[in-house]
Amino acid sequence: EDQVTQSPEALRLQEGESSSLNCSYTVSGLRGLFWYRQDPGKGPEFLFTLYSAGEEKEKERLKATLTKKESFLHITAPKPEDSATYLCYPYNFNKFYFGSGTKLNVKP
Amino acid sequence: NAGVTQTPKFRVLKTGQSMTLLCAQDMNHEYMYWYRQDPGMGLRLIHYSVGEGTTAKGEVPDGYNVSRLKKQNFLLGLESAAPSQTSVYFCASSYSGQTNQPQHFGDGTRLSIL
Repeated sequence: EDQVTQSPEALRLQEGESSSLNCSYTVSGLRGLFWYRQDPGKGPEFLFTLYSAGEEKEKERLKATLTKKESFLHITAPKPEDSATYLCYPYNFNKFYFGSGTKLNVKP
Repeated sequence: NAGVTQTPKFRVLKTGQSMTLLCAQDMNHEYMYWYRQDPGMGLRLIHYSVGEGTTAKGEVPDGYNVSRLKKQNFLLGLESAAPSQTSVYFCASSYSGQTNQPQHFGDGTRLSIL
């Protein structure tokens, strides 16, 4: 059965403390994966698309990587404004598979 | 550029009441979607539309109806609200239905059914 698991469910970091969020999946016919950011009371906001194993994308303090079985969102020297829920959505030809997200809290 | 706009933002209903949620997009997207988001769960697709005048069922369509009379608008209706429909509802749109197209989301409607 196709499924997505994001870990940890919640992560608390001090400002400047780097870490990584994990998205592991079993999706038949994987074509790619999206990362989104969701702030409280807002809708998901698109961050990255990754298409193939080995691909990396960067945006400010975020770097997303992709393997055949999982994706990582690395956060380098995070700031309080990086606090949000991060969602991964692998997809195949037919549909998206929505993870439940990692809630990141960065303390000053 | 407003993107995807949802109204209302909040609503409280009594069991058995009906209501309509409105989604409007100004990006000329063909595809539009309605999702619900519940605590600890990923987004679940309720209904979607591949173009003006067409709709289709998603994963959890029971208890909901939709209409897309204009390309820019997608309406979600609850005919007889039930407490199990308490959730946050998100509308999204995309340029095409290909899954490699990222979806653009509204900010949600928080609906409570008492």
